[in-house]
Amino acid sequence: AQSVSQHNHHVILSEAASLELGCNYSYGGTVNLFWYVQYPGQHLQLLLKYFSGDPLVKGIKGFEAEFIKSKFSFNLRKPSVQWSDTAEYFCAVSPGGRGNYQLIWGAGTKLIIKP
Amino acid sequence: ETGVTQSPTHLIKTRGQQVTLRCSSQSGHNTVSWYQQALGQGPQFIFQYYREEENGRGNFPPRFSGLQFPNYSSELNVNALELDDSALYLCASSFSRALQGTGYTFGSGTRLTVV
Repeated sequence: AQSVSQHNHHVILSEAASLELGCNYSYGGTVNLFWYVQYPGQHLQLLLKYFSGDPLVKGIKGFEAEFIKSKFSFNLRKPSVQWSDTAEYFCAVSPGGRGNYQLIWGAGTKLIIKP
Repeated sequence: ETGVTQSPTHLIKTRGQQVTLRCSSQSGHNTVSWYQQALGQGPQFIFQYYREEENGRGNFPPRFSGLQFPNYSSELNVNALELDDSALYLCASSFSRALQGTGYTFGSGTRLTVV
């Protein structure tokens, strides 16, 4: 069965620290890849997505992610985090082709930024 | 943009009862997808409705059913509630069945507690 793994359930960082959140998926075919963020008390919002082309994708608020096909990974990065980045981050995968109407989600990573 | 609106925000039901959750899609969106998010987990795909017909379904039993109306709003019905149905139910609307382009817009969810 297809699955998505996020390596850390909780991450605590200080402001200005660099961030990398891991995401691996198990699916051998073409995939579309997403990172969503949920700020406290708010709904899920799209951070960035990858469908094709340059495997380094830039999203909103200074986030980026790199798709490494050989490693089945799509890790999220930010060079310098801010207190306002405190949120839960979800990696999600959509199978390409006819199955691309649904998302398969990781369990999420709760990120806390200490001021 | 009006966003995605879900109602109610919270409700408590007794095991064996039936429940209906509602979702108004974002203006201009013709597709609604429903997800179940148990505590500490990522969302799981229930089903998707496109132009009033079910377009795809996840691994949920038939007691989970849905409707989509001509204005693209949607209902999720769950019969014979079980304790494990306690979760956050998320509605997401999109411009098309496939996840290219803008992808999903999520509502804030309905928190269902079954006692």
